[in-house]
Amino acid sequence: AQSVTQPDIHITVSEGASLELRCNYSYGATPYLFWYVQSPGQGLQLLLKYFSGDTLVQGIKGFEAEFKRSQSSFNLRKPSVHWSDAAEYFCAVLVTGGFKTIFGAGTRLFVKA
Amino acid sequence: DAGVTQSPTHLIKTRGQQVTLRCSPISGHKSVSWYQQVLGQGPQFIFQYYEKEERGRGNFPDRFSARQFPNYSSELNVNALLLGDSALYLCASSWGTGRGTDTQYFGPGTRLTVL
Repeated sequence: AQSVTQPDIHITVSEGASLELRCNYSYGATPYLFWYVQSPGQGLQLLLKYFSGDTLVQGIKGFEAEFKRSQSSFNLRKPSVHWSDAAEYFCAVLVTGGFKTIFGAGTRLFVKA
Repeated sequence: DAGVTQSPTHLIKTRGQQVTLRCSPISGHKSVSWYQQVLGQGPQFIFQYYEKEERGRGNFPDRFSARQFPNYSSELNVNALLLGDSALYLCASSWGTGRGTDTQYFGPGTRLTVL
């Protein structure tokens, strides 16, 4: 069965430092993968998505993610974190058939001054 | 253009009651999906509708039902509420057939508390 694991429940980084959020997926074929961000009181916003092609995907707000099939990973990165990046981040995979998206449990990012 | 709107924002019910949540998609979007997000967890897929037909259903009991109207708005109904139904209910709309390859736009959610 398809699944998504985000190993880190929460992460704290200093403003200006680099960020990497981990995501591992379980899927039998080439997956469709997503990263979403959820700020307090807000709905989910799509940061980026991977369907095929170049394994390094650029998204909004300066985020990027790299698909590594050998490691079943799709980690999210940002070179320099801003205080406004503090939020919850969700990795997700699209289930075969295309109508159901499975989300990970999320990683909460705290940014310290 | 307005984004996805949901009503009400917050709702408090007691066990055994019934609740109806509403969602209006972005203008021109024909697909609506519903998700349940329990505190501390990621969203769980409940339903997906396209052109008023159910296209996908998650692992939720029959107490959960939904429908989509000719104007593409949608309602989620939950009967015989349980304490465990307390959650943030998210609605998402997309332009195309509703397959996940279309970008989903999420509303702010309805916070349901069951006492």
